[in-house]
Amino acid sequence: DAKTTQPNSMESNEEEPVHLPCNHSTISGTDYIHWYRQLPSQGPEYVIHGLTSNVNNRMASLAIAEDRKSSTLILHRATLRDAAVYYCILSPGNQFYFGTGTSLTVIP
Amino acid sequence: GAGVSQSPSNKVTEKGKDVELRCDPISGHTALYWYRQSLGQGLEFLIYFQGNSAPDKSGLPSDRFSAERTGGSVSTLTIQRTQQEDSAVYLCASSSTGDPHNEQFFGPGTRLTVL
Repeated sequence: DAKTTQPNSMESNEEEPVHLPCNHSTISGTDYIHWYRQLPSQGPEYVIHGLTSNVNNRMASLAIAEDRKSSTLILHRATLRDAAVYYCILSPGNQFYFGTGTSLTVIP
Repeated sequence: GAGVSQSPSNKVTEKGKDVELRCDPISGHTALYWYRQSLGQGLEFLIYFQGNSAPDKSGLPSDRFSAERTGGSVSTLTIQRTQQEDSAVYLCASSSTGDPHNEQFFGPGTRLTVL
């Protein structure tokens, strides 16, 4: 399995930036890095993905290390609705390997 | 319907019985994925369909598990002779093409409880 390692949990104050780290030291050259999040009692939802270059979208930014062995999901201003489990996933093709993710708590 | 739908939403069965779980993907989506999420765990990839074909079935945990997709649309995941360790939420996702980097849209899941 293409393995990722994430902290089990993190906390952030509302309206502050959040940096969610992910290690993927065994990544291969063709693996994309995907981030999904799962709100309580819901299916996961897409956040962002990238290959080598940093990526930005309306939800978040993805910073990928030059050696691609780690990446960081950046939420620029955390809101209470961002409280969820965030999964960092490698996709060697169509098999998506989710780890246990990081549970983000947002403190009002 | 706008999103991926799954039925039933909850299923309670007795050990040894067979169950069928259904997934209706977003209309026009050619790729369909099945995952399993045990309590407090991340998602475990089970199988992927491109059209009606499943190029890789290696994620299925045992030969009691099978899946099919007909008409490039609805998919059914069948678990034969259910065991208590099969208890989990089974999630289905669809994607507009078979490109693995396309966004996957997830359904709400089927919670399976095996007594």
